Amino acid sequence: DAGVIQSPRHEVTEMGQEVTLRCKPISGHNSLFWYRQTMMRGLELLIYFNNNVPIDDSGMPEDRFSAKMPNASFSTLKIQPSEPRDSAVYFCASSLVGARGTEAFFGQGTRLTVV
Amino acid sequence: AQSVAQPEDQVNVAEGNPLTVKCTYSVSGNPYLFWYVQYPNRGLQFLLKYITGDNLVKGSYGFEAEFNKSQTSFHLKKPSALVSDSALYFCAVRDIGGTASKLTFGTGTRLQVTL
Repeated sequence: DAGVIQSPRHEVTEMGQEVTLRCKPISGHNSLFWYRQTMMRGLELLIYFNNNVPIDDSGMPEDRFSAKMPNASFSTLKIQPSEPRDSAVYFCASSLVGARGTEAFFGQGTRLTVV
Repeated sequence: AQSVAQPEDQVNVAEGNPLTVKCTYSVSGNPYLFWYVQYPNRGLQFLLKYITGDNLVKGSYGFEAEFNKSQTSFHLKKPSALVSDSALYFCAVRDIGGTASKLTFGTGTRLQVTL
């Protein structure tokens, strides 16, 4: 398996524009997580899904952020409108919840810069 | 709510010396505990996990960690550090109370190994 695939790897956009980050989890995994990493705040959990259903979105900063998982092989994180303070590295991770396969595997991340 | 504390922002150690990176956790049920490593401009890589059984778990690159339930700790250790071990290390906890559970990370500890 190619692992968790995120796209794009880098995104530079202007304030006010819509940004969509994409994630393809590892095939067969049933949990998916979106994290944001900044120097100031560290690694923050934004939202996670189990079997394509959002379980906890309490980490989503505000209504400008939304996430979807239309099927088991694809998820998006959308920011509309984007602001400079959204600049960060966004990670997607997936895992198989069960007796043994509980670790999460991370993608390479999307580095977002909002100017 | 579950949480993870990594009390040290940075740990400095000389190559060849033993290293310890500290982690304590808080969960309401039984914990699944993890250590991850992050190299610059990369995603998080899984090192090792504790689910049940032997309190001393061994992982990748010669790392090990000891689960201590009474102290709610899961410190990462290595008998002999290498310069190539220099990276950012994250401890994480998952409260397996059902099929849906979030993965919570600590703030990370930067390990610096010098010659």
